[in-house]
Amino acid sequence: NAGVTQTPKFQVLKTGQSMTLQCAQDMNHEYMSWYRQDPGMGLRLIHYSVGAGITDQGEVPNGYNVSRSTTEDFPLRLLSAAPSQTSVYFCASSYRTPSGAITYEQYFGPGTRLTVT
Amino acid sequence: SQQGEEDPQALSIQEGENATMNCSYKTSINNLQWYRQNSGRGLVHLILIRSNEREKHSGRLRVTLDTSKKSSSLLITASRAADTASYFCATDNGADKLIFGTGTRLQVFP
Repeated sequence: NAGVTQTPKFQVLKTGQSMTLQCAQDMNHEYMSWYRQDPGMGLRLIHYSVGAGITDQGEVPNGYNVSRSTTEDFPLRLLSAAPSQTSVYFCASSYRTPSGAITYEQYFGPGTRLTVT
Repeated sequence: SQQGEEDPQALSIQEGENATMNCSYKTSINNLQWYRQNSGRGLVHLILIRSNEREKHSGRLRVTLDTSKKSSSLLITASRAADTASYFCATDNGADKLIFGTGTRLQVFP
């Protein structure tokens, strides 16, 4: 298994540009999430999904859109990039137990380092 | 806002010493987890402790949870240089959101 993969690894955008950060997992995990990591701030939840077709907002959703058309993929779209979105972005996934509970034990991708100038 | 706050923010020790880091959180939880992040990499899950558990062990890791004080501690015994990393606690209250703390940077000198 490749686990959780993210592309690209690095990206530089100009203010106002849009782009999509890709995230895919091959573990058949139902739960997927996006975090951003800023110095001194830890990880903050942007959006998450408990299954295909279902998404919800986290702590810092403004300026970002997500969709979940398949179990495997969970892309994050920046609609109009701003310097405040300069950060490292992590995608993560987790699975359900046989009883149906989401374990919350997250498997993380390697991250995308985004700079907005 | 962050649910968890780790303390200390940074910790430097010699190989062989024990490292203790603490996490405090604000609201009631179902589970508390600890993760490790090596520089420039994604986070790796270390251990999960449920709200009805008080202590858990995994290899050289010992985690305690005190729900009355809304705090947890992670003890790494006999530290190695390879333990150098940032450590984060994360909590959930069963509402499908996992909220991370700000992390402790651990430096273990050979």
